[in-house]
Amino acid sequence: GIQVEQSPPDLILQEGANSTLRCNFSDSVNNLQWFHQNPWGQLINLFYIPSGTKQNGRLSATTVATERYSLLYISSSQTTDSGVYFCQTGAGNQFYFGTGTSLTVIP
Amino acid sequence: NAGVTQTPKFQVLKTGQSMTLQCAQDMNHNSMYWYRQDPGMGLRLIYYSASEGTTDKGEVPNGYNVSRLNKREFSLRLESAAPSQTSVYFCASTMVRWTYEQYFGPGTRLTVT
Repeated sequence: GIQVEQSPPDLILQEGANSTLRCNFSDSVNNLQWFHQNPWGQLINLFYIPSGTKQNGRLSATTVATERYSLLYISSSQTTDSGVYFCQTGAGNQFYFGTGTSLTVIP
Repeated sequence: NAGVTQTPKFQVLKTGQSMTLQCAQDMNHNSMYWYRQDPGMGLRLIYYSASEGTTDKGEVPNGYNVSRLNKREFSLRLESAAPSQTSVYFCASTMVRWTYEQYFGPGTRLTVT
């Protein structure tokens, strides 16, 4: 299967700081998605971004499929951004998740 | 729209017992999926159904069976539960025709003692 590596594994930020989360994948893919898993365990869709760049408020994401990586940018972080961020990718109906980046935003 | 719903939310089983986890989606999606999430790990695909009437294995299918009852419903069955199946189980769905964007249910927390 496709190997998905996320970095960093853990991140602690002061409220208001910016951060970049990275997702590397080992093979050609036709889909890529970023999720936020909140402290209650719910998976929230952030971006579906198999290629290119998208922005949604303070969050943006870029995927460079030819170089097999994707980046998630969080600007002006808030305490509600805390949780685990997952990258998911795959080909066809086989999907693979990274092990996540655990983000803690402190006030 | 409720999106993707799962029942039950919590379940405790004894080793060897059986149970079925239920999943339904009201988004008219073609494909449905079952994942498990273990502590400190990402989700791993157990089984999927690309369309009504078809099912296929994912990364970790052993010990599970699935049924795509109709376009809306996809169930996951544990015939003889083992402690190694203690996990949080998530169901997801996707349209597929134009996008592989997945939408997830709230999860079922299963403990096998």
